[in-house]
Amino acid sequence: ETGVTQTPRHLVMGMTNKKSLKCEQHLGHNAMYWYKQSAKKPLELMFVYNFKEQTENNSVPSRFSPECPNSSHLFLHLHTLQPEDSALYLCASSQDDGGELFFGEGSRLTVL
Amino acid sequence: GEDVEQSLFLSVREGDSSVINCTYTDSSSTYLYWYKQEPGAGLQLLTYIFSNMDMKQDQRLTVLLNKKDKHLSLRIADTQTGDSAIYFCAELSGGGSYIPTFGRGTSLIVHP
Repeated sequence: ETGVTQTPRHLVMGMTNKKSLKCEQHLGHNAMYWYKQSAKKPLELMFVYNFKEQTENNSVPSRFSPECPNSSHLFLHLHTLQPEDSALYLCASSQDDGGELFFGEGSRLTVL
Repeated sequence: GEDVEQSLFLSVREGDSSVINCTYTDSSSTYLYWYKQEPGAGLQLLTYIFSNMDMKQDQRLTVLLNKKDKHLSLRIADTQTGDSAIYFCAELSGGGSYIPTFGRGTSLIVHP
């Protein structure tokens, strides 16, 4: 596989469930990102990891918990979410030199 | 902080030219980007321009940069229905960050 792969593509969960989103990149990049894309809102940067170290956390609620076990994999653990957390969650990767961001297809999350 | 502004919608007729505009506030921007997001997909880099250039052409795409006015535009010649998508403007600050700042995106609708 090449590029940035996200699973699952669609997820429906209740407010008391625990689930995880997974992202994998096969591009040899050292930076990985989670973005949230909601209807009628700007693209929101949630977390950035560089060489497995978290370098950005933009005031994201603790019900979202990122994990970056190595520079190729990024997870977003979800716990006791709210309906307003329903959105498209996009993963991206890049080199940490200001180059192009490569995005995955996104995971469409619906919280009931 | 940096700010990137775009109009939210643009509707054009097939075969006409489309011009999508973007303004930004960061005077130290080094790179400016245009990303395209097709329905149900992630963002994909369409083209970019260095801040020391004022124009870049790539087939049907023309990027114009007015650094004095901090204005970026993307012109798509002979717009086709397949060009219908959301177009995001993004800028990279010269302050050492490798994380671009995105605009809200412009939805381009191409009708027959």
